[in-house]
Amino acid sequence: GENVEQHPSTLSVQEGDSAVIKCTYSDSASNYFPWYKQELGKRPQLIIDIRSNVGEKKDQRIAVTLNKTAKHFSLHITETQPEDSAVYFCAAINQAGTALIFGKGTTLSVSS
Amino acid sequence: DAGVIQSPRHEVTEMGQEVTLRCKPISGHDYLFWYRQTMMRGLELLIYFNNNVPIDDSGMPEDRFSAKMPNASFSTLKIQPSEPRDSAVYFCASSFANYGYTFGSGTRLTVV
Repeated sequence: GENVEQHPSTLSVQEGDSAVIKCTYSDSASNYFPWYKQELGKRPQLIIDIRSNVGEKKDQRIAVTLNKTAKHFSLHITETQPEDSAVYFCAAINQAGTALIFGKGTTLSVSS
Repeated sequence: DAGVIQSPRHEVTEMGQEVTLRCKPISGHDYLFWYRQTMMRGLELLIYFNNNVPIDDSGMPEDRFSAKMPNASFSTLKIQPSEPRDSAVYFCASSFANYGYTFGSGTRLTVV
């Protein structure tokens, strides 16, 4: 089945710096790659997603890039703020095409 | 829309007892997913339904776990008998087709 690897597991940056989180997936047929943000004690919430027919997508300070050949995708957060501190999860659709498989998460800490 | 509604929010039970977790998906969504979240294993897919029919239960850890979806607006996840290693946060999520999963607030289960 699909396997999603996420790195790093923890990331600490200074306010205003950029943060990059990377994920790789195993199933070349995967075609949907969302990113979720989970604040402490809260539910995961979708922040951005990308489909396999595009290589990059931006939404204000966040962007996602996809390299289908290498089977990896990345989340980029620019001008980080303390409220960006959370756990971020990447995901990919599994072989059956109907259930997300999640990476293990990255704990991002933004210090002011 | 009230979003995905899970109950209870917290459950503390003794080992050996039966536990039932409940979920009401977003109206109009045709997929429902049960995930379990732990520090060690992250977000694990347990089972998912499409139009109330179980599609893949390969993530259900043991026969002690069972899930049902008797209609489009209700699903249950049952653990019988419960064990301390079942302690985790259990999330229900729903979606229309493959995209834009919405998670419920989760049920924090503690088995003592």
